[in-house]
Amino acid sequence: AQSVAQPEDQVNVAEGNPLTVKCTYSVSGNPYLFWYVQYPNRGLQFLLKYITGDNLVKGSYGFEAEFNKSQTSFHLKKPSALVSDSALYFCAVRLNTGFQKLVFGTGTRLLVSP
Amino acid sequence: DAGITQSPRHKVTETGTPVTLRCHQTENHRYMYWYRQDPGHGLRLIHYSYGVKDTDKGEVSDGYSVSRSKTEDFLLTLESATSSQTSVYFCAISYTGTSGSNGELFFGEGSRLTVL
Repeated sequence: AQSVAQPEDQVNVAEGNPLTVKCTYSVSGNPYLFWYVQYPNRGLQFLLKYITGDNLVKGSYGFEAEFNKSQTSFHLKKPSALVSDSALYFCAVRLNTGFQKLVFGTGTRLLVSP
Repeated sequence: DAGITQSPRHKVTETGTPVTLRCHQTENHRYMYWYRQDPGHGLRLIHYSYGVKDTDKGEVSDGYSVSRSKTEDFLLTLESATSSQTSVYFCAISYTGTSGSNGELFFGEGSRLTVL
């Protein structure tokens, strides 16, 4: 069965600094990996995904993520954080064969201070 | 915008009462899901549907049932609500199942349920 770990409940960063939100995964096969963001009292919004190919994936709002197969990681990054990036971020994984359900991590709260 | 509407958005009920949450989509997607979100647990899948009258259980299906009599509507029912079912419930759709789709989900705005 697949699983996702987000080791940090919260990440604090100052505006303008680079940010990283960590995600590691476990699947018995090749994964599809996703990042979602959730703003207060809203549903989750899709940010980006890794399917195959280039290990560096670019997504919405200037975010990117790097797939590292040897470390089974898919960390979310942004070169320069904005206060408006403060939100709850979820990593998710599924197998890349047929219909597979998406499994989510427990989420990481990102707080960007002015 | 994936055209997903959840209702009600907020509900307070008492233990033992039945509750039905509705998810309505406007784009004829085949796959629909119900998740619950709880602190420390992230999102957990309750039930999902891969077509009209075709549903299956997720990882936390006990105490919940679903129905899908039309493509556009996916109903989640708590037959006898308990305090442990206090949560935020999210409906989602995906394009999974067709070649070239990758399974990303698109979510509704959520239904906050409080069981007293």
